[in-house]
Amino acid sequence: DAGVTQSPTHLIKTRGQQVTLRCSPKSGHDTVSWYQQALGQGPQFIFQYYEEEERQRGNFPDRFSGHQFPNYSSELNVNALLLGDSALYLCASSFRLSSYEQYFGPGTRLTVT
Amino acid sequence: QKEVEQNSGPLSVPEGAIASLNCTYSDRGSQSFFWYRQYSGKSPELIMSIYSNGDKEDGRFTAQLNKASQYVSLLIRDSQPSDSATYLCAVRNFGNEKLTFGTGTRLTIIP
Repeated sequence: DAGVTQSPTHLIKTRGQQVTLRCSPKSGHDTVSWYQQALGQGPQFIFQYYEEEERQRGNFPDRFSGHQFPNYSSELNVNALLLGDSALYLCASSFRLSSYEQYFGPGTRLTVT
Repeated sequence: QKEVEQNSGPLSVPEGAIASLNCTYSDRGSQSFFWYRQYSGKSPELIMSIYSNGDKEDGRFTAQLNKASQYVSLLIRDSQPSDSATYLCAVRNFGNEKLTFGTGTRLTIIP
């Protein structure tokens, strides 16, 4: 039973560039949530996708956008990168009509220089 | 006041002892509570979920929830060096899909 997968593992970008991160949910899950975790902090909710729509959004600017595909996989896009966007980006999957347990993927470490 | 508060630690516990981790939350509408374990450089791993007042046990782990006092705790019995990690408390509020996390408590088990 495959768990949550994310790609790439690490990424280095320059200020002003754009980045796309990818996530495949755990088998049987239909909901994907994205979180940003800065060093020494807990994960911060970015948004959640279900049925290919953004269902809820956290306090992140419009530079952060996403997409969910029919196979439930998801992408997180960040435009006009800032130094402060450097963080661990976590994807969590869950099954919406069941428990609210969210399972995290290994994360993508983004460094903006 | 932060929505979810945890003592950042570090908390040092001798091997074989009980480690006690605490978390308080501000929203009385909170419904679901989770404990995640995060090793350095890794992603959070779900270890316990609790939804009702009282205790929930799973192996060496016991989660305790007291909604009236707005706190949730995690007990780790017979602590092992492999339990050394940061423990994150997460809360889901009514009508919300997101999890709100505390900043985590760093636990060190001393052999």
